[in-house]
Amino acid sequence: GAGVSQSPSNKVTEKGKDVELRCDPISGHTALYWYRQRLGQGLEFLIYFQGNSAPDKSGLPSDRFSAERTGESVSTLTIQRTQQEDSAVYLCASSFGDNQPQHFGDGTRLSIL
Amino acid sequence: RKEVEQDPGPFNVPEGATVAFNCTYSNSASQSFFWYRQDCRKEPKLLMSVYSSGNEDGRFTAQLNRASQYISLLIRDSKLSDSATYLCAVTAPPSGNTPLVFGKGTRLSVIA
Repeated sequence: GAGVSQSPSNKVTEKGKDVELRCDPISGHTALYWYRQRLGQGLEFLIYFQGNSAPDKSGLPSDRFSAERTGESVSTLTIQRTQQEDSAVYLCASSFGDNQPQHFGDGTRLSIL
Repeated sequence: RKEVEQDPGPFNVPEGATVAFNCTYSNSASQSFFWYRQDCRKEPKLLMSVYSSGNEDGRFTAQLNRASQYISLLIRDSKLSDSATYLCAVTAPPSGNTPLVFGKGTRLSVIA
C-alpha cells in the first residue's frame, strides 16, 4: 500500500496482558516514529528509529514499553503487563529522514479493561 | 518555555470567515516547519509545509516569522469541512530525543 499501515486497528485486552502493535512504514522511509494520543490530548512522543536504530529511548513511559525495527521496515511496539492508563490510540508515522514531514498511519486504538 | 506552543482554542467562526492561528517555537535553530490537520478520532494529516518566503495552497496560507519565532496558518473563506484540530510541527533541538516536536493543536469549529 502507499501509506503507513498499522495493525491491529483496535485491540481490547485485559489488564496485565502483553500486547504487540505493528507498523509498516511507507516504502523507502528511513525514519519511523511512535506516538501515543489519549482522548482529547495532544501527541505524546514515544520513540523513533533511524534505520533499525533508536537513538534515544527516553520517551518511552516505562520499562514495560519496548520497540524494535527490523530490515529498516516493520516496527513493533510491545507493552508488557498492560495497565488501564495504557489505553490510548498508538500512532505510527514515517518520513524520508529527520526534519522531513511525517506521514501517519490510522493508529491502533488500545483499550485495557 | 515549552518547545512548541499553540492556543488550544476552540476558535468558533462562521462559514466564510477568515481565521488565523499562530504557533510559537523556542528553538531559534529550527529549520523545518509543518502544519497538520487532525479530524476527531483520526490520525494527523499533513496540510502543508511552511517555507521561509511563505506559501499558499488554495484558501490556506502559511507564513514563517523567524525574528519572532512563530509560524502562522491563515484560512480564508472557511468551510464547515475545515472544522478540525490544527497541529504545528517544528524541528527539535539537537539534544532532544525526536527530530520534530508537535504542538498540542488548535481546535477550529466552523459554524453554519
